[in-house]
Amino acid sequence: DIQMTQSPSSLSASVGDRVTITCRASQSIRSYLNWYQQKPGKAPKLLIYAASSLQSGVPSRFSGSGSGTDFTLTISSLQPEDFATYYCQQSYTTPRTFGQGTKVEIK
Amino acid sequence: QVQLVQSGAEVKKPGSSVKVSCKPSGGTFSSYAISWVRQAPGQGLEWMGGINPFFGTTNYAQKFQGRVTITADESTSTAYMELSSLRSEDTAVYYCARDARSDYLYFDYWGQGTLVTVSS
Repeated sequence: DIQMTQSPSSLSASVGDRVTITCRASQSIRSYLNWYQQKPGKAPKLLIYAASSLQSGVPSRFSGSGSGTDFTLTISSLQPEDFATYYCQQSYTTPRTFGQGTKVEIK
Repeated sequence: QVQLVQSGAEVKKPGSSVKVSCKPSGGTFSSYAISWVRQAPGQGLEWMGGINPFFGTTNYAQKFQGRVTITADESTSTAYMELSSLRSEDTAVYYCARDARSDYLYFDYWGQGTLVTVSS
């Protein structure tokens, strides 16, 4: 199975901060990398697919980059509604594994 | 607006089985693959397997092979996930998720989740 490792596991940030979350795959997954946001008690929500494509309706402050094994999710200016847990997921092969999550908390 | 509507919460005894349903509204049912993802309390997301209703093909994570069965009923446009030989570690929220029609395979819509509690 392809292992997905996110860092950090959690972070504290303030409104307006630039936030970066990284995701590393245990082998190359080309650009088959997605990012989801999950708030407590809710289903995950797709933010970014194919490493860098912004899902329709998602604010442009979210962006993704990377290919191969190393990927990044960036929030350019953190907003109050962005405090949540973020997961990366590879769709290169099955099982379609997720990272362990990064919890973004209010500083 | 696409919605995936799941069946309600379940409480099951260890050793029993549970069957969760997922009914998409909007879009042609057989045009989209459906996956099942679970989340244990306070834990991350875990892909269990999926089905392509058009081809009738399924794919399961090795971890769940032999215990999980994912099916699709085209007559009712409903997908199902059945998990057998339940144990306490199977207590989790189970989500269905729809694959977008793309080569890149991503979940563009999710169900609301179904809490399955396994307890004696």
